[in-house]
Amino acid sequence: QVQLQESGPGLVKPSETLSLICTVSGASISRYYWSWIRQPAGKGLEWIGRISTSVRPNSNPSLKSRVTMSLDTPKNRFSLNLSSVTAADTAVYYCARVGGSTNFGWYFDIWGRGTLVTVSS
Amino acid sequence: YELTQPPSVSVSPGQTASITCSGDKLGERSASWYQQKPGQSPVLVIFQDTKRPSGIPERFSASKSGNTATLTISGTQAMDEADYYCQAWDSSTLFGGGTKLTVL
Repeated sequence: QVQLQESGPGLVKPSETLSLICTVSGASISRYYWSWIRQPAGKGLEWIGRISTSVRPNSNPSLKSRVTMSLDTPKNRFSLNLSSVTAADTAVYYCARVGGSTNFGWYFDIWGRGTLVTVSS
Repeated sequence: YELTQPPSVSVSPGQTASITCSGDKLGERSASWYQQKPGQSPVLVIFQDTKRPSGIPERFSASKSGNTATLTISGTQAMDEADYYCQAWDSSTLFGGGTKLTVL
């Protein structure tokens, strides 16, 4: 059974960097694509970015300049850094496994429980 | 490029609920659908336009015509009350704004 677990600080100060880790169990991160998705309270889902061992990471154009993602294959986990945060970055952050293919379409088949990150001084 | 969903849909128990998702390029991309109940993570209910993951009840189905994808829930149950999001992948991925399904 594949499980994803987000971890990281629940409170980040404005202008600082938000750092989260997603630990994967039940699947090797080398075999799949992985994504980060966020959801402000009471609002919809926003895709942040995608990473895998086989292609360069790509991210939402609206966030691209602030997003860094990386893989830690020995620990079977991946991470998200979002720099220069503001209150608008306050949200529940989810990590998810990406299923599908370029030819037939990509989707998110397994999600973590999410972690709330609040940006406040 | 945006995906547009109705903010809300209401249905009576046992009836059929339909939720649409429209986007200029949706006809060229496969659509997926997610169910999200309050306080929970989204759950994939449809992928690649019409496929249903294992464990998702047969009453969930989907179709696509032109640039509009439709999620259909037949014989809607109270447990189906949730927010539903469509998603498609272009150069990056997009989510629709979400539809709150109310089972009256």
